[in-house]
Amino acid sequence: VQLVESGGGLVQPGGSLRLSCVASGFTFSDYEMNWVRQTPGKGLEWISFISASGRTKYDADSVKGRFSISRDDVGNSLYLQINRLRVEDTAIYYCARDSRTSAAIDYWGQGTLVTVSS
Amino acid sequence: SYELTQPPSMSVSPGQTASISCSGDQLGDKYPSWYQQKPGQSPVLVLHQDNKRASGIPDRFSGSNSGNTATLTISGTQPVDEADYYCQAWDGSSYVFGTGTKVTVL
Repeated sequence: VQLVESGGGLVQPGGSLRLSCVASGFTFSDYEMNWVRQTPGKGLEWISFISASGRTKYDADSVKGRFSISRDDVGNSLYLQINRLRVEDTAIYYCARDSRTSAAIDYWGQGTLVTVSS
Repeated sequence: SYELTQPPSMSVSPGQTASISCSGDQLGDKYPSWYQQKPGQSPVLVLHQDNKRASGIPDRFSGSNSGNTATLTISGTQPVDEADYYCQAWDGSSYVFGTGTKVTVL
C-alpha cells in the first residue's frame, strides 16, 4: 500500500490549493478515504472523509464550506480542494486510508506541507 | 463537539510498563484506535477496536476500554517505543483524535 500526496506549497491568505493523493498497492475503489492534517509540532486533526462510492462525505466544522474532498477511482486518486486559506490552515496534510474492518485509519501517506503566509 | 483528552507527557524506564489514558464521554461505546508517531514520520496504527493489534505491532502493546476511559499499555517498554501516541474514535460523522501523549523512555 502506498499513498503519495502532492500539491502543497506556500500560498497567501485567501488563496486556494488542490492537494492530490495517488494510491497504489490496493483496490482504491473499495476503500473509504480521509484527509488528516497536523500543524508542525502539534496534534492530529481529522479534516474530511469520503465513502468508497463517493456519495457520502463528511467535513470537520473547522473547514466546512472551504474544503472539498473528492476522488477519481479511474486514476486511483484522492483530492482536497482548499479555498479561502487562512494562516491557521498551515499544516502537513495526510492522505489516509480507512480500515475496512474497523473505524480506524490503517495507512497514511507521507504528507504534503501547506504554508499560508503573506 | 466530541473531545478526547490525553495526558500531555509521561516518562517510563526501559523494561517498565507505560499506561496512556484517553478520556471521552461514553468512550467505552466507541471502539477507539491508537496511533504511534515518531518525529518526522507519519502516524502508524497500533491498536484498533479497543485492543486489536494492527499488522506488525508487537504483543507488548495492548489496550482496554470501559466507561469513559480507554488505555494503551506498553509492557516491557523499549527505547524504540519513544514516540507520540494518539487515541482516536469515530463519532458518527467525524473522526476525533485525542490531544496526544509524548512518551519518553529514559
